[in-house]
Amino acid sequence: QKEVEQNSGPLSVPEGAIASLNCTYSDRGSQSFFWYRQYSGKSPELIMSIYSNGDKEDGRFTAQLNKASQYVSLLIRDSQPSDSATYLCAVNMMMDSNYQLIWGAGTKLIIKP
Amino acid sequence: SQTIHQWPATLVQPVGSPLSLECTVEGTSNPNLYWYRQAAGRGLQLLFYSVGIGQISSEVPQNLSASRPQDRQFILSSKKLLLSDSGFYLCAWTGSRLASNNEQFFGPGTRLTVL
Repeated sequence: QKEVEQNSGPLSVPEGAIASLNCTYSDRGSQSFFWYRQYSGKSPELIMSIYSNGDKEDGRFTAQLNKASQYVSLLIRDSQPSDSATYLCAVNMMMDSNYQLIWGAGTKLIIKP
Repeated sequence: SQTIHQWPATLVQPVGSPLSLECTVEGTSNPNLYWYRQAAGRGLQLLFYSVGIGQISSEVPQNLSASRPQDRQFILSSKKLLLSDSGFYLCAWTGSRLASNNEQFFGPGTRLTVL
C-alpha cells in the first residue's frame, strides 16, 4: 500500500513564529515531493517542489527532504495570518508502470495574530 | 503560460439527475489530465486520468465516467447523481505521466451539491 501521511491538525502557531509541517511516505523509491497550499473553498496551489535530500529555500518557505527516513517537511518562517490554510503533501510514486501523485490528507494551519 | 479552466464554478443538482463538468487547458499540448474529488474536510481522491484523446483510466469504480474528446478538453459525467457525489471536483494537468518529477496544476474547481 502506497501512502502519504500527514497530521490533520489543526496546527496553531503565533504570528511571526516558525510553522513546521511534516509528511511521511511509504515508497522508498519516490523521487519527487511537493507541497501545496489550499485556502478554504479554493483549489490547491503548488508552493514547493523538492527532489534531492536536504533543504530547499524559497522566500519564507523551506522544504526539507530526508529519503533515508522517508519524510519531507515544510517550514514557514515569520508566519503571517495569510499563511492560514491547509497544506497538502504529495509524493510521486510508481504505480502500474506510470508515476502517480499520492496525496496526504493535509494539515490545517492556523496562524494566530 | 498555461491556464486551466473549469465550469461551472458551483452546481446544485437533485439526486438522479445527470451531470457534466468540463475542463479545458490552454497553452500546452498533449497534457496529462486528471479529475479529483475532495469531500468536505478530506484529502484528494483521484477519479480518472487521461494521457491522450480517448484514453481514460478509472481509479475508483462508481457511477461517474470521463471522456477526452479533444487534446485539451476533459469531461466528467454521470447519468444519475447520488447524494454521495457531492464534493469539490478538481481538474489538474501535468506534462507527462512517465516523468518522475512532474508537478500538477489545478483548475479553480467545481463545487457540486446533490440534494
